Order: sequence, then C-alpha cells, then structure tokens
Amino acid sequence: NAGVTQTPKFQVLKTGQSMTLQCAQDMNHEYMSWYRQDPGMGLRLIHYSVGAGITDQGEVPNGYNVSRSTTEDFPLRLLSAAPSQTSVYFCASSIRGVATPYEQYFGPGTRLTVT
Amino acid sequence: AQSVTQLGSHVSVSEGALVLLRCNYSSSVPPYLFWYVQYPNQGLQLLLKYTTGATLVKGINGFEAEFKKSETSFHLTKPSAHMSDAAEYFCAVRPPGQGAQKLVFGQGTRLTINP
Repeated sequence: NAGVTQTPKFQVLKTGQSMTLQCAQDMNHEYMSWYRQDPGMGLRLIHYSVGAGITDQGEVPNGYNVSRSTTEDFPLRLLSAAPSQTSVYFCASSIRGVATPYEQYFGPGTRLTVT
Repeated sequence: AQSVTQLGSHVSVSEGALVLLRCNYSSSVPPYLFWYVQYPNQGLQLLLKYTTGATLVKGINGFEAEFKKSETSFHLTKPSAHMSDAAEYFCAVRPPGQGAQKLVFGQGTRLTINP
C-alpha cells in the first residue's frame, strides 16, 4: 500500500491564483481530513469528510473548498490564494469510527508559498 | 472547546539523557490521546496512543507515555535519548464523541539532541 499520497510536494503561487492540492489514499478509509501546519500553532483542521459525498468544515475553512466524489480522493481547492495561506498542508485518513481508538494516517505534506 | 497545551516549544537534551515532553489537555472526560512525531520534511507518524485501560502506554522507538486523569496530562518520555530522536513531537486529542477524522493538536515541541 502507498498509504496517503499528496501532490505536489512544493508549490509557489501568486496572490489571487487558484490551485488544487491532491490527496489520495489506498487503504479504503472512509474518513479523510485536511490540516494546515504553521510554526507555533501545531496542525489545524481545515475540512474533513466522513465518506464520499459528505464534507464539513473544520476550524479554519475560509478560503478553501473540498469535495469527495470517491472514497480514495479528497482534493483541497484554494479559490484565490492569499499570503496568509502560506503553510504546509497535510492530508490524513482514518478508519470510520466515533467511539473507537483509530488513529489518523498522514501524507507527506505539500509546502505552499503564496507571494 | 477542547485544547491541548505542550509545555516548551523547544527541548534540548544530551544523548543518553532522559527525554520528557509535556502535554496537558482540557477535558473533564478523558479523550483519546495520541503522540505523533514529525521528522524533517516528512509527514506525521504515530508514536503511541491511549484509548482505555492501562495508563502507561508503550510506543515505537522506546517511547512511552503515562495518562494521568487527575492531572489531565499525557507526558511523553524516553529513558535514553538517541541522536535519531531529533524531531518535532505533537500531542493530539480526539474529543469525546468525535469521529476519528477530527484531531486537536498541541503546538508541537521540537526536540534537539546534543552529542
């Protein structure tokens, strides 16, 4: 299994440009999430999905869109990039469960710079 | 809202010395608790997790953590530091009743090992 894969690894955007960060997992996990990592702030949840066709907002959703048409893929769209979106983005997946101790599996990250 | 506090953004120890990374959470009901490690330019890897039962949890690479409900703490320790332990460490909690797609992270602690 490849686990959780993310593309691209690095990206530089100009303010106002749009782009899509790709995330895929081959573990048949129902749950998927996007986080951003900023120095001194840990990881913060942007959007998440509990299954194909179902998404919801996390802690910092503004400026981002998601969709989930398949179990495997969970792309994150930046609609109009801003310098405040310069960050490292991580995608994660996990087995479905609420009262269960399942952990999340993380991808290698995408480092995004917005100038 | 659930919060996680990691005391000390940077910790430096000598090779062979005890490693102690502190984590406190804010919840009257014990959540699921996790420690993740991030090596430079990589994604997050699970070190260990507490779910229920034994309060001392053993993880990979010789790390362990003790859940103390009375102190709302989940500190990470390793008896003897190795150079390869240099990384950033994140404590994370899954609030009670929340699904596996939502983790709340601490700010992270960067561990440096001195030769």
